[in-house]
Amino acid sequence: DTAVSQTPKYLVTQMGNDKSIKCEQNLGHDTMYWYKQDSKKFLKIMFSYNNKELIINETVPNRFSPKSPDKAHLNLHINSLELGDSAVYFCASSPYGTGLGAGELFFGEGSRLTVL
Amino acid sequence: GEDVEQSLFLSVREGDSSVINCTYTDSSSTYLYWYKQEPGAGLQLLTYIFSNMDMKQDQRLTVLLNKKDKHLSLRIADTQTGDSAIYFCAETNSGYALNFGKGTSLLVTP
Repeated sequence: DTAVSQTPKYLVTQMGNDKSIKCEQNLGHDTMYWYKQDSKKFLKIMFSYNNKELIINETVPNRFSPKSPDKAHLNLHINSLELGDSAVYFCASSPYGTGLGAGELFFGEGSRLTVL
Repeated sequence: GEDVEQSLFLSVREGDSSVINCTYTDSSSTYLYWYKQEPGAGLQLLTYIFSNMDMKQDQRLTVLLNKKDKHLSLRIADTQTGDSAIYFCAETNSGYALNFGKGTSLLVTP
C-alpha cells in the first residue's frame, strides 16, 4: 500500500490554465505538507496543515490554494498557471506538527508540472 | 530564512567511503536530518540527530555533528552503486517546516 500518494504524476498544461494536484496519506499522520522542487532540485516548503488547519503558509503567490477536506487529504489548486510554476510538487506527511516527529517526513513520489 | 549549504556533487568508487558535508547557520537548530532522493522518487528519511549529540551510527551510516562549527556530515561506509542518489541535509529548530539544503548528488562508480 502506498503511504503517501499523489495524482497526477505528470501534468502538462498551457499558461493561464487552472489545475489541481491531489494527495492522500494512509499513515494516520496529523500533518501534511506541500513542497516545491525546482529544476535545480532545490526544495522549498509551500504549505503545512495540521489536522486540517493551516499552520505554515510560506511566501507563495495566492494563485496557489491548498485545501484539506480531512486530515488524510491535502490538495493543491493552482490558478492562472505561469511558466515559472513548472516544477515537481511533493506532498508529504509527518506524525506530528512540532518536535522531532515533524521532521520525519514521508514523501509522495511527486507530481511533475510542466507549463507551456 | 536560515541557510543550509551543501556541496553539489560527489563522486566515489564502489567500496570506498563517502562523506557528504553540510553547514547551517541557525544556531538554535534542534534536529538535523539526512534525506535521500533516488531518481524519479520522493525523499526518504535516512537518519537524524539531535543537536545535543555528537555522533550517531546506524549500520553503514555515521552522522557527525559539530555544533560549534554548525557542521553536519554523513558518512556512508562501503558505498554501493545503489547509494547513488541526491542527499539532502535538513534542519529545524521549532519542529515546524524543515529547512533543506540544495542536495548533494552522489555518484558511485564501479
